[in-house]
Amino acid sequence: KNEVEQSPQNLTAQEGEFITINCSYSVGISALHWLQQHPGGGIVSLFMLSSGKKKHGRLIATINIQEKHSSLHITASHPRDSAVYICAPRGSNYQLIWGAGTKLIIKP
Amino acid sequence: DAMVIQNPRYQVTQFGKPVTLSCSQTLNHNVMYWYQQKSSQAPKLLFHYYDKDFNNEADTPDNFQSRRPNTSFCFLDIRSPGLGDAAMYLCATSRTDRGNAEAFFGQGTRLTVV
Repeated sequence: KNEVEQSPQNLTAQEGEFITINCSYSVGISALHWLQQHPGGGIVSLFMLSSGKKKHGRLIATINIQEKHSSLHITASHPRDSAVYICAPRGSNYQLIWGAGTKLIIKP
Repeated sequence: DAMVIQNPRYQVTQFGKPVTLSCSQTLNHNVMYWYQQKSSQAPKLLFHYYDKDFNNEADTPDNFQSRRPNTSFCFLDIRSPGLGDAAMYLCATSRTDRGNAEAFFGQGTRLTVV
């Protein structure tokens, strides 16, 4: 069993829809990152959180440490949100443990 | 302004010819990571530095070495690149003394082996 499970693996939605990507992990962590990777390789850190909820613009991330679960939400989705979203918990040795990613396509 | 800079963005090397990829950061972060990412796969951690302490992943081939001469720079050396080493190599940094420090990523170096 993978240490980090993301769902769904692929998601296609229409512009404007509310998007949820889920992440469950089985290891002890010090924090959890949500990352965005566009075609071409560049990775951007969207959030780093260890408890509760964070919001940046249309993006919201939540984490429940007891349940070892985190979610990333996108409100009013837009085609420019199309990317791979990666959940990456940070282990006790500061290494990032990568989920397989969720490929999101937002259609106009 | 870019805070984690990888050079070059694209590198073509010959089979077996040593190659060095570089990463520099302006963030004064104490942790630097090197990842290998092959097509449609999640990045795989090769090694990371926590300050000057080098941490090698157990399954990182001996062909891959790293140097961190100072806080700002970190190098990935591939001693004898094989065709299977063609990938995107990502450098990342984070800071551990602030507890909840984010990770910052470079744009990556795409390595082609011919």
